[in-house]
Amino acid sequence: QVQLVQSGAEVKKPGASVKVSCKASGYAFSSSYLHWVRQAPGQGLEWMGIINPDGGSTFSTQKFQGRVTLTRDTASRTVFMELSRLTFADTAIYYCAREGGEYWGQGTLVTVSS
Amino acid sequence: EIVMTQSPATLSVSPGERAALSCRASENVNNYVSWYQQKPGQAPRLLIYDASTRATGIPARFSGSGSGTEFTLTISSLQSEDLAVYYCQHYNSWPLTFGGGTKVEIK
Repeated sequence: QVQLVQSGAEVKKPGASVKVSCKASGYAFSSSYLHWVRQAPGQGLEWMGIINPDGGSTFSTQKFQGRVTLTRDTASRTVFMELSRLTFADTAIYYCAREGGEYWGQGTLVTVSS
Repeated sequence: EIVMTQSPATLSVSPGERAALSCRASENVNNYVSWYQQKPGQAPRLLIYDASTRATGIPARFSGSGSGTEFTLTISSLQSEDLAVYYCQHYNSWPLTFGGGTKVEIK
């Protein structure tokens, strides 16, 4: 069965970077794009960007351009989202989701705290 | 980027009644709209894609309609387990965007 398993919760200081992983299983890794979506506490869903595991091409929203790096490791079937220059406003649950929206990771809580 | 606007923000419906949730796109997104249900502490769950196609395992009381810029998610007979926030999302072009959500309350 399709599964997306994300790395555990993180606590970071303002100005630091965080790298969240999303390990895929149960399907052909290179066959589907993977999205990153975040949700601040009590807020709605915010789409951040997308990566094509086949070749590694990426697209991210203008809001995050220059701060977000999306990568993948085909050997481990894992995609990564690194967000730099963290501020308190980046405190959120970060989700990966497979193209089509039917499969989501469990979410990774990133807390930015001094 | 395309702005997705959902209304109302909150909808109170009695069990067994019909609920209609609206989503408007700032420009034509054809039928490339999905609807998600999110319950507290859970990841979003795909209900509808391509504006009107139910995802696997989704009960028939959930239906989607619309094309272009106006879309509707209808819950034909509200059940207590339908208490959740519902989001629309377009995928007509990058960046994808979500609506702000409609919270469905049980009256």
